[in-house]
Amino acid sequence: KAGVTQTPRYLIKTRGQQVTLSCSPISGHRSVSWYQQTPGQGLQFLFEYFSETQRNKGNFPGRFSGRQFSNSRSEMNVSTLELGDSALYLCASSRVAGVAYNEQFFGPGTRLTVL
Amino acid sequence: AQSVTQLDSQVPVFEEAPVELRCNYSSSVSVYLFWYVQYPNQGLQLLLKYLSGSTLVKGINGFEAEFNKSQTSFHLRKPSVHISDTAEYFCAVSANKFYFGSGTKLNVKP
Repeated sequence: KAGVTQTPRYLIKTRGQQVTLSCSPISGHRSVSWYQQTPGQGLQFLFEYFSETQRNKGNFPGRFSGRQFSNSRSEMNVSTLELGDSALYLCASSRVAGVAYNEQFFGPGTRLTVL
Repeated sequence: AQSVTQLDSQVPVFEEAPVELRCNYSSSVSVYLFWYVQYPNQGLQLLLKYLSGSTLVKGINGFEAEFNKSQTSFHLRKPSVHISDTAEYFCAVSANKFYFGSGTKLNVKP
């Protein structure tokens, strides 16, 4: 069974631009979560989608948004990029959401560099 | 609310020495516990998980962890580390969502 895939793996943008990252979950998984990882802040939760609906949202500005498609693939978008948005963006998938046992499987991440 | 505390941000250790990475959690409900490892420029890989049953859990790469409910801890151990174990390790709990600790960087020196 294929794992979680994220595209692109590396991305370089300039301040003010926008970016879209993509995540394909493991087949049969319906929940997708996004995390931002930086050396200073560590691993921070962005949002979680389940059956095309956002279930949970972290404490990020509205410039960060996401969506999930009917095939469970998810995209996240960051508009008006800032230097501080440079980070590794990780996607994780799980079978379901909102239950106590909910093992997450991670993709390799997208390394975003904002110049 | 749930929270996870990893007490050590960095742990230096010599090759073939034992290591323990500490993790404490707080929760008002039953949780499931996980340890993940992250190698440089990669995603997180599951090392082991505690769901129920035996409190000593064995994972990949020779790692094990012990669930201690009274101390709300889930420390990760390995009796003899290798250079290849150099990575960042994350403890996590799952209630109705996932909560990660801040990570511990394990640096294995020759």
